[in-house]
Amino acid sequence: SQTIHQWPATLVQPVGSPLSLECTVEGTSNPNLYWYRQAAGRGLQLLFYSVGIGQISSEVPQNLSASRPQDRQFILSSKKLLLSDSGFYLCALSKGVNYGYTFGSGTRLTVV
Amino acid sequence: EDQVTQSPEALRLQEGESSSLNCSYTVSGLRGLFWYRQDPGKGPEFLFTLYSAGEEKEKERLKATLTKKESFLHITAPKPEDSATYLCAVREGSSNTGKLIFGQGTTLQVKP
Repeated sequence: SQTIHQWPATLVQPVGSPLSLECTVEGTSNPNLYWYRQAAGRGLQLLFYSVGIGQISSEVPQNLSASRPQDRQFILSSKKLLLSDSGFYLCALSKGVNYGYTFGSGTRLTVV
Repeated sequence: EDQVTQSPEALRLQEGESSSLNCSYTVSGLRGLFWYRQDPGKGPEFLFTLYSAGEEKEKERLKATLTKKESFLHITAPKPEDSATYLCAVREGSSNTGKLIFGQGTTLQVKP
């Protein structure tokens, strides 16, 4: 069965520091991959999605970027973190437009 | 603009007290409505997918129904372990990326 791994689980970073969150997938190939952010008490906001290697679409203008260097690897990055980047970051995969998501366990990012 | 609204934001029930959660949506051609359960600090866990009005699905004490404008998640005789945030999401018909639009969620607390 397909599984999705995210790390780290928690992260505390100072303002202005870089960020790299990694998401890897097992048990499936060529998935659609997504990065979502969930602010406290709010719903999930789609940040980026990817339908294949090197293909990244951004949903909202922000201080973050994403990359997909391999089929089963999705990376969320920032060169300089802002306080507003704090939140719960979730990676998700879908096998296609007729399937739901499988989510990773999430990364709690606190920018101080 | 595609939109998903969940109500109530929070719900407190006594163990055994049945109730329903609402998910209202506006989307250009529904291509699936999804229900997820999210425990604190964890990624959402898939519950149901509904595709057409009149469709119903059940799992233990949960039953999801769908109309042309909304979906209900009925909880029958809930137990404390049903306490969680329940998320509703829709996929719009023209999407070729599989991305989901999420509501804000309903946080359910079941007291013994």
